[in-house]
Amino acid sequence: QVQVVESGGGVVQPGRSLRLSCVASAAAFSNYGMHWIRQAPGKGLEGVAVIWYDGTNRYYGDSVKGRFTISRDNSKKTVYLQMNSLRAEDSAVYYCARDRGGRHSHPIDWGQGTLVIVSS
Amino acid sequence: DIQMTQSPSSLSASVGDRVTITCQASQDINDYLNWYQQKPGKAPKLLIYDASHLESGVPSRFSGSGSGTDFTFTISSLQPEDIATYYCQHYYDLMITFGQGTRLEIK
Repeated sequence: QVQVVESGGGVVQPGRSLRLSCVASAAAFSNYGMHWIRQAPGKGLEGVAVIWYDGTNRYYGDSVKGRFTISRDNSKKTVYLQMNSLRAEDSAVYYCARDRGGRHSHPIDWGQGTLVIVSS
Repeated sequence: DIQMTQSPSSLSASVGDRVTITCQASQDINDYLNWYQQKPGKAPKLLIYDASHLESGVPSRFSGSGSGTDFTFTISSLQPEDIATYYCQHYYDLMITFGQGTRLEIK
């Protein structure tokens, strides 16, 4: 099983930015799609962003389009989520997950999550 | 966007009961559907992929069926360790979407 570790969460004021990082221990990291999925307190799961194995395709949930950017550095086995213009409704645990394949279908190895709180 | 309607939202059952959860897609998604289990304070775990395939290491009491718009997740004999919230998730679009979840409790 691949180990996935997120970092970068914290408390941030509305309108500010935050960047999350995720390192995956997969030997062939560059073969896999990577997801960011979030869960607001007491709520369900929401797909935030996904990046395909080679970084050429990136897709976003409607609620974050234009504000969040996903990227990856395959040499570092790391995926990032740059979050700009943060809102209170972005407060959630953010999970990073490795896909079983190169695209976006089966998030299979999940991290423990990093908590983001947007509050003044 | 494709909407996933999962029901019921909560369910109480006894140990040994057969438990069924349904997930309905707003349009045909073929068999592009997965089922996850999430225990409190933990990350979700993939149980069933592509509607009916059991993930490696998952007990055989879990199963899934369906295709098109209507899907079913079943626990054949509920065990105490199955207490969790269950989610369906589709990948027909370029962005995955989850159902709203079913919270399963022991009666």
